[in-house]
Amino acid sequence: QKEVEQNSGPLSVPEGAIASLNCTYSDRGSQSFFWYRQYSGKSPELIMSIYSNGDKEDGRFTAQLNKASQYVSLLIRDSQPSDSATYLCAVISLAAGNKLTFGGGTRVLVKP
Amino acid sequence: ETGVTQTPRHLVMGMTNKKSLKCEQHLGHNAMYWYKQSAKKPLELMFVYNFKEQTENNSVPSRFSPECPNSSHLFLHLHTLQPEDSALYLCASSETSGYTDTQYFGPGTRLTVL
Repeated sequence: QKEVEQNSGPLSVPEGAIASLNCTYSDRGSQSFFWYRQYSGKSPELIMSIYSNGDKEDGRFTAQLNKASQYVSLLIRDSQPSDSATYLCAVISLAAGNKLTFGGGTRVLVKP
Repeated sequence: ETGVTQTPRHLVMGMTNKKSLKCEQHLGHNAMYWYKQSAKKPLELMFVYNFKEQTENNSVPSRFSPECPNSSHLFLHLHTLQPEDSALYLCASSETSGYTDTQYFGPGTRLTVL
């Protein structure tokens, strides 16, 4: 079982719609959760971090964490073509020595 | 310059060459990391340095040799690499290596081993 799992996509979303990305993780002791965006050929850039159960909103982005079900999700509202990228879920677990473990990423395509 | 910088941005080397990748962070952080990103694979952690001390070697082959002379600079020395080592090598830094600390990435070095 992969430690951090994401659907590879591509997730095709019409412009203006909501993109919903999911991520599940295997280590129940995971403490910190991050969403990064990576454009093709570029390095990952942080979108949001979340540490406690519930929702966290930042602009058009909302991260949702459910530790009991071991999943974290990212919603992108009013999707724009510039949101087309690969979104990486990353998790830090104390049991893994605070290493940041990445999922394989979900490719999102926003179509005008 | 601000953030995390990496040089060179692109590198082509033969299997017998020796080269080095350089990373510099201007964020006042104390932890630095090397990651490898191969096509179709998740980002893989290679090394972690915290306050100049190596705290993690993720079973990386000895042909990759890291060096951290101070908290702002990190090097990855390469020798006798294999074609399968071709990848994007990313450097990152964070305030410390604690579990709440966000990692910020440099632009990466695209390495091709012939």
